[in-house]
This record gives sequence, C-alpha cells and structure tokens, in this order.
Amino acid sequence: EVHLVESGGGLVQPGGSLRLSCEASGFTFSKYSMHWVRQAPGKGLEWVAYISTTGNNIHYVESVKGRFAVSRDNVKNSVYLQMSGLRGEDTAVYYCARDPVSGSAPPFDSWGQGTPVTVSS
Amino acid sequence: DTQMTQSPSSLSASLGDRVTIACQASQDISHYLNWYQQKPGKAPKLLIYEASKLETGLPSRFSGSGSATYFVLTISSLQPEDVATYYCQQYDSFPYTFGQGTKLEIK
Repeated sequence: EVHLVESGGGLVQPGGSLRLSCEASGFTFSKYSMHWVRQAPGKGLEWVAYISTTGNNIHYVESVKGRFAVSRDNVKNSVYLQMSGLRGEDTAVYYCARDPVSGSAPPFDSWGQGTPVTVSS
Repeated sequence: DTQMTQSPSSLSASLGDRVTIACQASQDISHYLNWYQQKPGKAPKLLIYEASKLETGLPSRFSGSGSATYFVLTISSLQPEDVATYYCQQYDSFPYTFGQGTKLEIK
C-alpha cells in the first residue's frame, strides 16, 4: 500500500526557517517525481514545488522562488522542502504528492496527510 | 501561467440530482486535467485524470469530459457522501495550477 507521511511542520516566527520531510513507502520511490502542494486555512489548493526523479529538474511557484528549496534522497525514500524567509502568507497545511515518470499511474494519485506550518510572532 | 476558473463556487443540490461543475483554462491544456474531491481535514482525493479517466476503484457516477480549455465534472446521481469541495488542476505546464474550488452541499 502506498504511503506518504509528511513531518516537520510547526510554529515559526516570520523570517524563520523550517524543513519539511515526506517519507514514502509501498512503491518504487525513485521512479516517481514528487510535488509539494499547500492549503492556507479556509482557502484552496496551491501547487508549490516539483522535483524530478533524479533531482535535476525542479520548478517552483513564483511566490516561493529564492526562499524554498526542494530536494530528495532516493536511498531514504524521502523528499524535503527547506523553507526560509517565511512569511505569514506561507501559513498552510503542506502536502506531498507523487507523479509517475511513466504512465503506470496518474499524477497526484497519492497524497500524504499533510503537515501544518504556522508563521506567526 | 495558466489560470483555472471553476464555476460555480458553491452548489446546493438534492440527493439523486445530476450535478455538473465546470472548469475553464486560460489557455489550451490539451487533456492534462485532474479533478479532486476534498473533505474537511482530509487530503485531496484524485477522482478524474487526463480529463475523462476515472481513478481506479471510484464509483461510476463520477465522470469527466472536455479538452483544450473547457472541462466538466459530472456526478450523475448525488449521494450523501459526495458532500465535499471539488477542485480542478492543470498539469500541462509549470506552475501547475488549481481552480478555486466548488463547495457542494445537499439541499
């Protein structure tokens, strides 16, 4: 069974940093690109970042460029989101989701349960 | 960036009704569109991918149609467990973008 488990969320002051983790199990992690998606309280979904299977292709939403960095470790079956220069508008639940390279499954077919991030003084 | 516009923003329907939710893309995205269902406090759940393909194991009352810039999610006969917020998402080009959501309630 596919499992994605996010961790690392919490309360952080404006300007601070936080590192989110997403640990995968139940599938061949190295064959999937990964995404981070967030949802501010009471708001809709916002795609945040993408990392390819090897980590050599990365994309971000404009609002986090230069502040967030996505990475992965295919040995540890994990993807990370290093967040710095955090702002109030980054307050959200952060989800990871998988995206197959081949057509073996549809993109975003599995999501983690989310980890909440609150940016406040 | 490709903007995704859903309509309506909210919808109230009776059990057994046919429900349709529309999603319009600001540019041609071919068939690279997903539909999700999200219930409060839960992660989004993929319903439809590539605009019209039903995710494995889901009830056939859910269907999707459309291509290029106009897409529709249809629930053929509304059930109590369908109360949720529904989102469309394009994955044709980065940044991937979501519609603003449609909140579905029972009348």
